[in-house]
Amino acid sequence: KAGVTQTPRYLIKTRGQQVTLSCSPISGHRSVSWYQQTPGQGLQFLFEYFSETQRNKGNFPGRFSGRQFSNSRSEMNVSTLELGDSALYLCASSLEPSGGYEQYFGPGTRLTVT
Amino acid sequence: AQSVTQPDIHITVSEGASLELRCNYSYGATPYLFWYVQSPGQGLQLLLKYFSGDTLVQGIKGFEAEFKRSQSSFNLRKPSVHWSDAAEYFCAGGGRGSYIPTFGRGTSLIVHP
Repeated sequence: KAGVTQTPRYLIKTRGQQVTLSCSPISGHRSVSWYQQTPGQGLQFLFEYFSETQRNKGNFPGRFSGRQFSNSRSEMNVSTLELGDSALYLCASSLEPSGGYEQYFGPGTRLTVT
Repeated sequence: AQSVTQPDIHITVSEGASLELRCNYSYGATPYLFWYVQSPGQGLQLLLKYFSGDTLVQGIKGFEAEFKRSQSSFNLRKPSVHWSDAAEYFCAGGGRGSYIPTFGRGTSLIVHP
């Protein structure tokens, strides 16, 4: 089975712009979670989608949003980028909602905001 | 607050030596727990998981972890470390009914030749 794929792998944006990141889960996985990873804050949960519905949301401002499509692929969007949004954004998929089910991570998208 | 704690930020071992990475949790009921490894520039790879049953869990790459309720710990061990094990290791977990696992801050493993 193919693993979790994320596109693009690297991205450079300017403050104030918006960005969309994409994640394709492992075939058959219905849950997709997004995390932000930074050296200072570690891994922080953004949100989780299951069957096209957002089930859980972390403590991030409304500039961070996401969605899931009927084929379980997911996108996350960050509007009005700030320098502090520079991070590795990781997507993880699991068979069912992540509580108790192991998550499989993609390689991440490295976002740099200048 | 329910959480996972990795007390060691960095661990340095010599190649061939044994390894133990610490993880402590604070969940009321029996938690579910994971260990992940992250190589530079990569995503996280699942090493092993604990949900219930046998408290000694075997994982990939020769790793194992032991769930100890009395110590609220889930330490990761490997009898003989290889240079390729140098990476960041994350413990993660949650309480039953908690849908979002929380991650520790990670332990960076450095392997000396």
